Amino acid sequence: DAGVTQSPTHLIKTRGQQVTLRCSPISGHKSVSWYQQVLGQGPQFIFQYYEKEERGRGNFPDRFSARQFPNYSSELNVNALLLGDSALYLCASSLDFSATNEKLFFGSGTQLSVL
Amino acid sequence: QKEVEQDPGPLSVPEGAIVSLNCTYSNSAFQYFMWYRQYSRKGPELLMYTYSSGNKEDGRFTAQVDKSSKYISLFIRDSQPSDSATYLCAIPSGSARQLTFGSGTQLTVLP
Repeated sequence: DAGVTQSPTHLIKTRGQQVTLRCSPISGHKSVSWYQQVLGQGPQFIFQYYEKEERGRGNFPDRFSARQFPNYSSELNVNALLLGDSALYLCASSLDFSATNEKLFFGSGTQLSVL
Repeated sequence: QKEVEQDPGPLSVPEGAIVSLNCTYSNSAFQYFMWYRQYSRKGPELLMYTYSSGNKEDGRFTAQVDKSSKYISLFIRDSQPSDSATYLCAIPSGSARQLTFGSGTQLTVLP
């Protein structure tokens, strides 16, 4: 079975531009979460979606937005890019979202560089 | 104060050594504690999780939780070069049970 797939794997943008990152969850998984991992730090929670509805949002500005499609795939959009947005963006999928010990499966991420 | 703090490393040990990786947390209400392993240029993968206090063993790996001191540890016995990775402690919290990660400890096991 395919794991969580993310595209593109690498992306270079300039300040002020907009970017869209894509994620396909594991087949049968209905929840998708997005995390930002700055070099040398642990991942930081951005969004969680379940059944196409936003179920959680981390402490990120409104420049960050996301959505989930009927096939459970997801997109993360970032507008007006700043240098500080340079990071590895990780997508994770899970069967559900409500269990505290819900197991998350992560993709390999999209490495975004903002110049 | 951060919710989860992790010994930063990096840590370099010879093959066969016992490795101890440690985190502290601030909220006594936390019940589940997880350890993820992240290889270079890959996403994190769940290694182990424990509930409440005590130890949990899985092969060469032991996860330990001390709720009285809000301290969690991961021990690796007979460490192998293939264990070289970044190890992240994580705690699910919030309405979405999102994971709060430590900053990670980069481990290198030298052959």
